[in-house]
Amino acid sequence: AQTVTQSQPEMSVQEAETVTLSCTYDTSESDYYLFWYKQPPSRQMILVIRQEAYKQQNATENRFSVNFQKAAKSFSLKISDSQLGDAAMYFCAYRGNNNDMRFGAGTRLTVKP
Amino acid sequence: GAVVSQHPSWVICKSGTSVKIECRSLDFQATTMFWYRQFPKQSLMLMATSNEGSKATYEQGVEKDKFLINHASLTLSTLTVTSAHPEDSSFYICSAKEGGGVWTQYFGPGTRLTVL
Repeated sequence: AQTVTQSQPEMSVQEAETVTLSCTYDTSESDYYLFWYKQPPSRQMILVIRQEAYKQQNATENRFSVNFQKAAKSFSLKISDSQLGDAAMYFCAYRGNNNDMRFGAGTRLTVKP
Repeated sequence: GAVVSQHPSWVICKSGTSVKIECRSLDFQATTMFWYRQFPKQSLMLMATSNEGSKATYEQGVEKDKFLINHASLTLSTLTVTSAHPEDSSFYICSAKEGGGVWTQYFGPGTRLTVL
């Protein structure tokens, strides 16, 4: 079974600075999708960024970018120019051939003004 | 992006009663919907996958007779917690599959269930 590991329960960043959230996963599949979701206090899950495993190029969405290392099974999220609104729980997720999405334990990001 | 709604957003019920939670895709058709459960300060755990017009597929350890799922139309899936007990108190989140091929999963706002 696929597992997703987020080794940082909590992270903190100064406003306008850059922070990187770590995620590793375990799978025997070659074709899959990886996601980062944000869950603010409202509890609404918001898609931040998505990466297809067959694409070598790292996905980017404005201030959010990923470092996808397929061989190392690593998928980190970099948030640049951090804003107060970025404070939330961040979940890394894996979706494989069975279409089930598996989530990591989450990282709570605090942004200091 | 596509919108998924859930109703109610929160519910309090007495032990032994049943509670129905609705999940709707508002601007797209969803042949597949997913139900998750999230305990405080924990991650989302997949409970079941709901396919329109067929029986839901439950994850190991999830009681299908306790958590009844009905996906009667392309825009509505319901989760009924039968004979609820305090240990069923949790945050329940649904999501819906939008598109084919490289599809996207959109999440509802969640339902907080408290069983007294």
